[in-house]
Amino acid sequence: GENVEQHPSTLSVQEGDSAVIKCTYSDSASNYFPWYKQELGKRPQLIIDIRSNVGEKKDQRIAVTLNKTAKHFSLHITETQPEDSAVYFCAASIPGTASKLTFGTGTRLQVTL
Amino acid sequence: NAGVTQTPKFRVLKTGQSMTLLCAQDMNHEYMYWYRQDPGMGLRLIHYSVGEGTTAKGEVPDGYNVSRLKKQNFLLGLESAAPSQTSVYFCASRLTGEGQPQHFGDGTRLSIL
Repeated sequence: GENVEQHPSTLSVQEGDSAVIKCTYSDSASNYFPWYKQELGKRPQLIIDIRSNVGEKKDQRIAVTLNKTAKHFSLHITETQPEDSAVYFCAASIPGTASKLTFGTGTRLQVTL
Repeated sequence: NAGVTQTPKFRVLKTGQSMTLLCAQDMNHEYMYWYRQDPGMGLRLIHYSVGEGTTAKGEVPDGYNVSRLKKQNFLLGLESAAPSQTSVYFCASRLTGEGQPQHFGDGTRLSIL
């Protein structure tokens, strides 16, 4: 089955700096890669996703890049703000498998003032 | 439009007791999923369903059973609770079709003593 590794497990940045979280996946058939943000005690919420036919996608301060050859994808957050502090999860999905998601183990992002 | 609703929100059980967690969605989604979330391990898929009357095993199905008698409801049962099942349980649902996002409920925090 699919295996997703996520790094780093914790990340501390100063407000206004950029943050980058990286994930690698094992199954080259994976074609859908969402990122979820989870605040303490809350549900995971989708913040951005990318499909394998696209190399990069942006939404305001958030961007995701995908390198299919290397089987890795990254989340980029620019101009970080305190409200960006949360745990971020990457995931991957293989087509034809009921779109089951395999999640990474999460990155705790702390944005300090 | 409530989205995905999970009940109960919290529960404490004694070892050996049984209980059922309910997930209800009002978005007419075909696919539904049950995950457990443990510290440092991300979200792991327990069981899933691709439609009314169908269920399938995920990554960690042992000790759990599920039923999908109605399209909008997906029940997760613990027949004989064990301390290892102490976790936060999340339900998710999504539309059919590639690249459709999963929408999560607020979770159920379950403690087994």
